[in-house]
Amino acid sequence: AQTVTQSQPEMSVQEAETVTLSCTYDTSENNYYLFWYKQPPSRQMILVIRQEAYKQQNATENRFSVNFQKAAKSFSLKISDSQLGDTAMYFCAFMKHQGAQKLVFGQGTRLTINP
Amino acid sequence: DTAVSQTPKYLVTQMGNDKSIKCEQNLGHDTMYWYKQDSKKFLKIMFSYNNKELIINETVPNRFSPKSPDKAHLNLHINSLELGDSAVYFCASSQDRRGGYGYTFGSGTRLTVV
Repeated sequence: AQTVTQSQPEMSVQEAETVTLSCTYDTSENNYYLFWYKQPPSRQMILVIRQEAYKQQNATENRFSVNFQKAAKSFSLKISDSQLGDTAMYFCAFMKHQGAQKLVFGQGTRLTINP
Repeated sequence: DTAVSQTPKYLVTQMGNDKSIKCEQNLGHDTMYWYKQDSKKFLKIMFSYNNKELIINETVPNRFSPKSPDKAHLNLHINSLELGDSAVYFCASSQDRRGGYGYTFGSGTRLTVV
């Protein structure tokens, strides 16, 4: 079974700083998807960024980028120029590529952006 | 226009009662899911339906029964509620059963059993 581990339960940075959230996963699959979701205090789950394992290039979405290291099974999220609205729980998630699949989530990292 | 809408948003009920949570998506997606988020924020899949067919059924007590009347709706009925059922329940949808583009989530239903 696939597992996803987020080793940082909480992080806190000042506004405008850059922050990196860690995620590692365990799988024997060669092809899969990885995601970062954000859950602000409103409780809504919001897709931040998506990576396909067969693509070498790291995904980017505006201020959000990932460092995908397939051999190390690592998928970290970098938030540049952090804003107060980035304060949220961040979840890393894994999904196999074939068949009927489910998102497997990590435990989450609570990120606080301080003014 | 809410893409995935759940009702109710909050539900407080006594032990032993039966309750239902409804979910509807207007995205034209084929696949819908129920996830449970516990008090430690951990998210775990419960069920998945693809075009009204049950395709994922995790180890969940028989008291939980999903129903999908059509591919745009997925409801969750819970019998004989227990204190441990208190959690946030999320409905989600994806374009197809592979879900490779990710899921769109509803805003969750906070269930409190007293």
